[in-house]
Amino acid sequence: GQQVMQIPQYQHVQEGEDFTTYCNSSTTLSNIQWYKQRPGGHPVFLIQLVKSGEVKKQKRLTFQFGEAKKNSSLHITATQTTDVGTYFCADYDYKLSFGAGTTVTVRA
Amino acid sequence: DTGVSQDPRHKITKRGQNVTFRCDPISEHNRLYWYRQTLGQGPEFLTYFQNEAQLEKSRLLSDRFSAERPKGSFSTLEIQRTEQGDSAMYLCASSPTTGMNTEAFFGQGTRLTVV
Repeated sequence: GQQVMQIPQYQHVQEGEDFTTYCNSSTTLSNIQWYKQRPGGHPVFLIQLVKSGEVKKQKRLTFQFGEAKKNSSLHITATQTTDVGTYFCADYDYKLSFGAGTTVTVRA
Repeated sequence: DTGVSQDPRHKITKRGQNVTFRCDPISEHNRLYWYRQTLGQGPEFLTYFQNEAQLEKSRLLSDRFSAERPKGSFSTLEIQRTEQGDSAMYLCASSPTTGMNTEAFFGQGTRLTVV
């Protein structure tokens, strides 16, 4: 798998606001998976993106795979306290190669 | 509980001792992974199995680390002559390999502290 870089490393969000976290690679990614890890928990699968330009939605979460398959983004609308945690993207090529994650905190 | 289970959940050991961790994957999953995670980092790949065959081992993994999956079911990860730098959360994950479904299911992890 390819090394992926995630930005920002930390995201402090006011409850109700939107935010986006990004996942970038210098080379073409095979496919991208996103995971969420709650504090003290283990990574939990959110979504897999395979096709160039693919967009998938899960309630308030929107995932996008770039046209060149070198980047991906996760956009969360109307942030809630339940969104707290670290969001990881990972390149899947028979194994997962994770980025360092974006850690999200929410101000009520 | 039909998820991935790991044992023990916590392990404190003295430097130089050997430790062994166990992972029981979801029963119908033929792929099993070991990852290591330190604070503020994403999980780092260690090794993976397809059934009982170990298909890949990270180049970063020293020869003090060894993993087995003797019957294609549970797996063990052994660390010999532990060092303080081995302190981390060791995560096991399993996944099916049918079709396009490659979602990894992670266990709760084993937290290793080397003192």
